[in-house]
Amino acid sequence: EIVMTQSPATLSVSPGARATLSCRASQSVNRNLAWYQQKPGQAPRLLIYGASTRATGIPARFSGSGSGTEFTLTISSLQSEDFAVYYCQQYNNWPPLTFGGGTKVEIK
Amino acid sequence: QVHLVQSGAEVKKPGSSVKVSCKASGGTFSNHAISWVRQAPGQGLEWMGGIIPIFDTTDYAQKFQGRITITADESTSTAYMELSSLRSEDTAVYFCARPSSLDVYFDYWGQGTLVTVSS
Repeated sequence: EIVMTQSPATLSVSPGARATLSCRASQSVNRNLAWYQQKPGQAPRLLIYGASTRATGIPARFSGSGSGTEFTLTISSLQSEDFAVYYCQQYNNWPPLTFGGGTKVEIK
Repeated sequence: QVHLVQSGAEVKKPGSSVKVSCKASGGTFSNHAISWVRQAPGQGLEWMGGIIPIFDTTDYAQKFQGRITITADESTSTAYMELSSLRSEDTAVYFCARPSSLDVYFDYWGQGTLVTVSS
């Protein structure tokens, strides 16, 4: 099973600032990595797939990078609606599909 | 546009079973895998298993092997997840989710079904 580790667990950021979230895989997942955003009481929303391709309707301030075992989600200028929990998910080797533990982005 | 609508909240006794449904509308039901992902209170996302309706093939996370059954009814575009031998640790929100491509990341999610296991 591929273990996905996200850091930090919590990120305190001021509105308008840049946020950088990390995701590490226990073995290479090539570029088969997705990022999701989840707000309280809601289902996750797909942001990024293929490590760097934005899903339909996702603003350009969200960008993904990385390959192999190290990945980054960057939010260039945080808006109020971006404060949420973010998860990475690998789909290179499965079953099982595996998610990271999440990074909570909170208002500083 | 694909919509996934799940059945309502359930309260179950320890040792019993629960069956959650996920009805799809829009898109092609049979060709895409549907997965079940759960989220315990205050915790992260956990993939439980999935099915490809057109092949009626299933994959399950080892953690749930022997307790989980995922089925699909192509005639009603509905997927089901049944979890047996429930314990308090199974209290969670259960989501169905579906990709738009052959890759298994999830574009579409159900609204979630809260299953509470309590005596």
